[in-house]
Amino acid sequence: SQQGEEDPQALSIQEGENATMNCSYKTSINNLQWYRQNSGRGLVHLILIRSNEREKHSGRLRVTLDTSKKSSSLLITASRAADTASYFCATADISGNTPLVFGKGTRLSVIA
Amino acid sequence: SAVISQKPSRDICQRGTSLTIQCQVDSQVTMMFWYRQQPGQSLTLIATANQGSEATYESGFVIDKFPISRPNLTFSTLTVSNMSPEDSSIYLCSVADRGYGYTFGSGTRLTVV
Repeated sequence: SQQGEEDPQALSIQEGENATMNCSYKTSINNLQWYRQNSGRGLVHLILIRSNEREKHSGRLRVTLDTSKKSSSLLITASRAADTASYFCATADISGNTPLVFGKGTRLSVIA
Repeated sequence: SAVISQKPSRDICQRGTSLTIQCQVDSQVTMMFWYRQQPGQSLTLIATANQGSEATYESGFVIDKFPISRPNLTFSTLTVSNMSPEDSSIYLCSVADRGYGYTFGSGTRLTVV
């Protein structure tokens, strides 16, 4: 079953703008990960943030994690048309070696 | 990190038939996970496959419909049995790498007609 909700479900922005996606989860986690998927193709791992981390950067990506609120956000700065994809958060259980539980995802459209 | 070879990448099947999807991992892993992604939806866990024991299925998924084999630590298959158009989805396998990273197969896009 899905871990939680992501919002917005769909987001449309102009190229160059920033895109922010949010994710909430329900249980205690070891880490939270964000993935991208282009048009129903394979998953691309973007970034992993551990439960003891609050913020992490990778290129144009910035992820925050608030374990007290059980929520995370993914910020993509200076978006490009190539960023158009579905973005999913996924949580790994605190016990480890268990399957990832995925959020419902955000469909991002970046208009050139 | 582990590399997974998943086959087939896509197939179009007649209703009532079965399709077996294979995942080969380039290293030994304890657990493999199978997911289904219905059109426009997120990934839903079907089952966890442990080598040497029966797979553990999530609510809504049964062994008769989705039998899984796990003959060794590098290989697993998922069969979609007695298919109907509602089974049209992308099916993905996944493994947990050390350090809580995860690797996914490239997916099998199944269309049932």
